Amino acid sequence: GAVVSQHPSRVICKSGTSVKIECRSLDFQATTMFWYRQFPKKSLMLMATSNEGSKATYEQGVEKDKFLINHASLTLSTLTVTSAHPEDSSFYICSARDVPRIEQFFGPGTRLTVL
Amino acid sequence: SQKIEQNSEALNIQEGKTATLTCNYTNYSPAYLQWYRQDPGRGPVFLLLIRENEKEKRKERLKVTFDTTLKQSLFHITASQPADSATYLCALAMNRDDKIIFGKGTRLHILP
Repeated sequence: GAVVSQHPSRVICKSGTSVKIECRSLDFQATTMFWYRQFPKKSLMLMATSNEGSKATYEQGVEKDKFLINHASLTLSTLTVTSAHPEDSSFYICSARDVPRIEQFFGPGTRLTVL
Repeated sequence: SQKIEQNSEALNIQEGKTATLTCNYTNYSPAYLQWYRQDPGRGPVFLLLIRENEKEKRKERLKVTFDTTLKQSLFHITASQPADSATYLCALAMNRDDKIIFGKGTRLHILP
């Protein structure tokens, strides 16, 4: 149980385009989902916390107009990187929490490369 | 703010031996401490959670200890196997509703 999927696993796009990443909890309802980015050999950096049906809470320094998060249902959250630039290239990982459990279940990640 | 320290250097352990990874934190003890495994290019996988009132937790070949006096958690893998090679992340949550803070992780190599 507690499986989280993420799509796509890899995406390469041109600078200026927008990219949408989907995160789904397959066998449980996730009232809270999280979005992280990770640079090589670095720790996970929390970008935002997303609660179903409400606006996401962004971490300091993360541009909410740049990284649009939608948590429309208890099993789906999306992250849209708008007008992507090469510096947005990174590994994006979502996770979901099955409240009241504490642990988070992570998706397999999405490797974004912006040319 | 809370900081988590994990040994940034890779740990090489001979197959069959016990691997021990360390997680130290500053400031207040968290209510929950977790360990995750991450393979290259993949998302982390939850392994174990230990609460502040628990001293030790076991799951198959894994054992986690939590010492709030030393502000430290140890993660042990007994009878280690090459398949255990991965990066292991320590993570803290100050309370049930708080966000989880991750350490940078320690790379473990089990040598055949």
